[in-house]
Amino acid sequence: DSGVTQTPKHLITATGQRVTLRCSPRSGDLSVYWYQQSLDQGLQFLIQYYNGEERAKGNILERFSAQQFPDLHSELNLSSLELGDSALYFCASSVPLTGTGAEKLFFGSGTQLSVL
Amino acid sequence: EDQVTQSPEALRLQEGESSSLNCSYTVSGLRGLFWYRQDPGKGPEFLFTLYSAGEEKEKERLKATLTKKESFLHITAPKPEDSATYLCAVRRSGGGADGLTFGKGTHLIIQP
Repeated sequence: DSGVTQTPKHLITATGQRVTLRCSPRSGDLSVYWYQQSLDQGLQFLIQYYNGEERAKGNILERFSAQQFPDLHSELNLSSLELGDSALYFCASSVPLTGTGAEKLFFGSGTQLSVL
Repeated sequence: EDQVTQSPEALRLQEGESSSLNCSYTVSGLRGLFWYRQDPGKGPEFLFTLYSAGEEKEKERLKATLTKKESFLHITAPKPEDSATYLCAVRRSGGGADGLTFGKGTHLIIQP
């Protein structure tokens, strides 16, 4: 168990709808990362928050948005859903690797989104 | 743009049959190269970080090595429980915080 909690595990919805995915990082971790994993694209970085502030953006669509709340949990909002948005969405939190400038990520078990 | 290419896409081995997985990368300044293991229905789990050419790290039957252009994950005498998808990722140095760039992974099956 990584200590990162994601809900729900599965989500089935229709095109055009809006959904919210939730993530609680490991206790004490300030960073939250969101990734999308599909069979053809692999794991793609979407966005990172650090202590409530947006830190970095990756390949995140304008229809998608995220936020991190004062209790450090994060939500990823996906709107105007399309068939191609069907994927596994992972959240991760991180700890720094001392003296390296890099981080070790702990991933949650993901939310499987199916858009029908 | 950072690029990570893993080969082979899939590999089937007999238990005890050693082999290597390859990760070729292009990145403007390497802050770290990471190996993760992913089991079906789960998130990736951290294995190793390598920072400079010539560095090696070991964990049980796994050994990761790094050159200036690629990394290898050597699996010695694998067991069925080593079956998983192995992901390689890079992080560039400089600039602001950013996520990792992942390869598409090697799906490893170890047959008893």
